[in-house]
Amino acid sequence: GAGVSQSPSNKVTEKGKDVELRCDPISGHTALYWYRQSLGQGLEFLIYFQGNSAPDKSGLPSDRFSAERTGGSVSTLTIQRTQQEDSAVYLCASSSPTSGVETQYFGPGTRLLVL
Amino acid sequence: AQSVAQPEDQVNVAEGNPLTVKCTYSVSGNPYLFWYVQYPNRGLQFLLKYITGDNLVKGSYGFEAEFNKSQTSFHLKKPSALVSDSALYFCAVSAPSGGSYIPTFGRGTSLIVHP
Repeated sequence: GAGVSQSPSNKVTEKGKDVELRCDPISGHTALYWYRQSLGQGLEFLIYFQGNSAPDKSGLPSDRFSAERTGGSVSTLTIQRTQQEDSAVYLCASSSPTSGVETQYFGPGTRLLVL
Repeated sequence: AQSVAQPEDQVNVAEGNPLTVKCTYSVSGNPYLFWYVQYPNRGLQFLLKYITGDNLVKGSYGFEAEFNKSQTSFHLKKPSALVSDSALYFCAVSAPSGGSYIPTFGRGTSLIVHP
């Protein structure tokens, strides 16, 4: 498909386990964002990748959170030793600055539930 | 730091009536302003953006928004609401020239259109 895809769509895990969330951006998009959306909250910025530049990790809430982007395409968000407060919808977005100012295209999200 | 306020958690409107979803912002430098819509269990979809030029911006699904610099507002409007417009609406701001290129999102406003 032509849009941003994310997997899994839903993830249920036990407290203390590690989880990996995957994002496939739109082909050719150089910018990739991760956000967290909690119930009743707006979007909380987590991390931003742009081309080959060092990622902006300023939004990561703790050192249990990390993300990689391999080959400038697919990204993986890893949460280690999950806590119940990590339960949220994790959204990925990509954009192509060359096509205009930062219009973001969002994936459907991964709904994470930590028991 | 840049910020966005959506003062209404919920807006109720009857089908066929005009609707307004409010957004105000605070940013250093010239703002780039966005509206996104989120339907249930879906990712965010881009509606419209203001970068420069005409203060009235037209977007998808008959929506429009007016940039008001003096009031630092970017309210979303539609002349005649449809039941299918019921969704969660997010306003976002970025300011590459003086603030952050990473958009800051509001908490969202739930729009409910009654038949």
